[in-house]
Amino acid sequence: DADVTQTPRNRITKTGKRIMLECSQTKGHDRMYWYRQDPGLGLRLIYYSFDVKDINKGEISDGYSVSRQAQAKFSLSLESAIPNQTALYFCATSDLTRQGQFFGPGTRLTVL
Amino acid sequence: DQQVKQNSPSLSVQEGRISILNCDYTNSMFDYFLWYKKYPAEGPTFLISISSIKDKNEDGRFTVFLNKSAKHLSLHIVPSQPGDSAVYFCAASEVGNQFYFGTGTSLTVIP
Repeated sequence: DADVTQTPRNRITKTGKRIMLECSQTKGHDRMYWYRQDPGLGLRLIYYSFDVKDINKGEISDGYSVSRQAQAKFSLSLESAIPNQTALYFCATSDLTRQGQFFGPGTRLTVL
Repeated sequence: DQQVKQNSPSLSVQEGRISILNCDYTNSMFDYFLWYKKYPAEGPTFLISISSIKDKNEDGRFTVFLNKSAKHLSLHIVPSQPGDSAVYFCAASEVGNQFYFGTGTSLTVIP
């Protein structure tokens, strides 16, 4: 089984709709992250959480919100989706060390 | 403004030769650097890292070099293999802070 799972893997929605992307991990890591990838812009951090009671904004948090329901679960919400939020979204986890993050397989979101 | 830059969007190399991927950064406070590899339809996977107290770290066919004065790091893959064809991202952080990613370089290893 995958260590970091994301649901859904693909989603097409319309402008103005509320969307939730979910992430679960079995690695036992405290730290979880949400990134988006856009062509020519690489990976940009949206939100991150260092434990269940800790939520921090990343580079591009406007238009997004997150919820850390448990150590293993971190969800990303788009309250009112807009077309420029069309992107590939990745969840990642890490432990307390500064080793590499473990990424999920990604969610491809299209906002029409 | 992009704090971590990969100025080559793509690179093609013959199998068996050396692949050199480059990354530049602007923040002198960055003290930890990583390389990730990404295949299509998968998330990035961690490849190799280096702390600013070192100038070289090697792991099998992969070596990362860090030049702090030039704010430059590079990833060398020797020998390159077709399975190395992927997008490579560099990332950097300072203590206690988030990682900043470059835009990626797509490597194609030609058999």
